[in-house]
Amino acid sequence: EAGVAQSPRYKIIEKRQSVAFWCNPISGHATLYWYQQILGQGPKLLIQFQNNGVVDDSQLPKDRFSAERLKGVDSTLKIQPAKLEDSAVYLCASSLSAGDTEAFFGQGTRLTVV
Amino acid sequence: DAKTTQPPSMDCAEGRAANLPCNHSTISGNEYVYWYRQIHSQGPQYIIHGLKNNETNEMASLIITEDRKSSTLILPHATLRDTAVYYCIVRVTSNTGKLIFGQGTTLQVKP
Repeated sequence: EAGVAQSPRYKIIEKRQSVAFWCNPISGHATLYWYQQILGQGPKLLIQFQNNGVVDDSQLPKDRFSAERLKGVDSTLKIQPAKLEDSAVYLCASSLSAGDTEAFFGQGTRLTVV
Repeated sequence: DAKTTQPPSMDCAEGRAANLPCNHSTISGNEYVYWYRQIHSQGPQYIIHGLKNNETNEMASLIITEDRKSSTLILPHATLRDTAVYYCIVRVTSNTGKLIFGQGTTLQVKP
């Protein structure tokens, strides 16, 4: 079974530029999560989708971050404009459903804002 | 979701059991205890979960106290590959259940 795919693996941008991350969850998984993990901290949930609907985006900085999951499969997370404090690893995860016991994580995208 | 408290770091000798504690004194009756771990430069990986009873799988054992206010993850024979950050999470297992990570415990397995 293929795992959660994320791209790119690494990205370096200047502050005020925009950037987008892509996630392809495990086939058939209805729930998709995006997390931000700053160095030395645990992952912070940004947004949770159930199919193509948003379950929770309370921690998403909506003035600069946006996410979509068209057709309930792939998802993109966008930052515009980026700030220095957005430097982090962005992790995508998926599970069969939100109530499923196990979420599977991708390897993440490491973003550096300079 | 209830909050958890874990020690920031622990050491364990290779081949010995690693016992990782977690306090979740405000856990609700419908919340499960989950454990994930994150090896350096990888995404978190599910280990085990439980509600009331002790659980065991091929990776670890989970011991939950009778009052459910704390739990212990046991790696029976730690190896160097078990060096990772271990996260204890409590969550409801429903369509609105969120997976919220704390700071975790950094376990260093030493030769």
